[in-house]
Amino acid sequence: EIVMTQSPATLSLSPGDRATLSCRASESVGSYVAWLQQKPGQAPRILIYDTSIRATGIPARFSGSGSGTDFTLTISSLEPEDSAVYYCQQRSTGVTFGQGTRLDIK
Amino acid sequence: QVQLQESGPQLVKPSETLSLTCTVSGGSISSGAYFWTWFRQPPGKTLEWIGYIYSDGSPYYNPSLESRVTISLDTSESQFSLQLYSVTAVDTAVYYCSRLRCSSSCSRGGIFDIWGQGTRLTVSS
Repeated sequence: EIVMTQSPATLSLSPGDRATLSCRASESVGSYVAWLQQKPGQAPRILIYDTSIRATGIPARFSGSGSGTDFTLTISSLEPEDSAVYYCQQRSTGVTFGQGTRLDIK
Repeated sequence: QVQLQESGPQLVKPSETLSLTCTVSGGSISSGAYFWTWFRQPPGKTLEWIGYIYSDGSPYYNPSLESRVTISLDTSESQFSLQLYSVTAVDTAVYYCSRLRCSSSCSRGGIFDIWGQGTRLTVSS
């Protein structure tokens, strides 16, 4: 099974800051990484797929990059509503998720 | 606009079989390059892929659950279903259905673009 490791576990930032969330795969997953956002009590919501493609309706402040084993989600200017848990996910072999990064906006 | 809705019991006894259904509205379940997917999320933990079924009826399962899982498609009812056998307390979770839309390839990548709201399951006697 491909293990996805996210860092940091928790991130506390202020509105307007830039957030950088990292995800490392235990083996190469090519470009087949997605990022999802989950707020308490809600289903996950897709933000980015195939490393860097923004899903429909996702603001341009969300961007993804990387390849092989190292991937990054960047939120360029944080809004209060960006408080959530963010998961990376691979679909190169099966489907697995990282443990999540909790982003707090204060 | 395609929407998904899970339905099923909230409580199942240990050793019994869990049966959940996902109803697809606003689109066809049997056409297009889509995989109809089940995930689960134990309390406070990350998401786990259970498996999916392609629109042609071919299922694919997480190897860690494969011996206990069946996913099936009912095109007449526009539903897909999950059966999980011999449940235990570790199967307690929120269960989500979702749609995977193929992107450049159906064998890799793609986007889980639509999700149900989730249904909470507790396994307890």
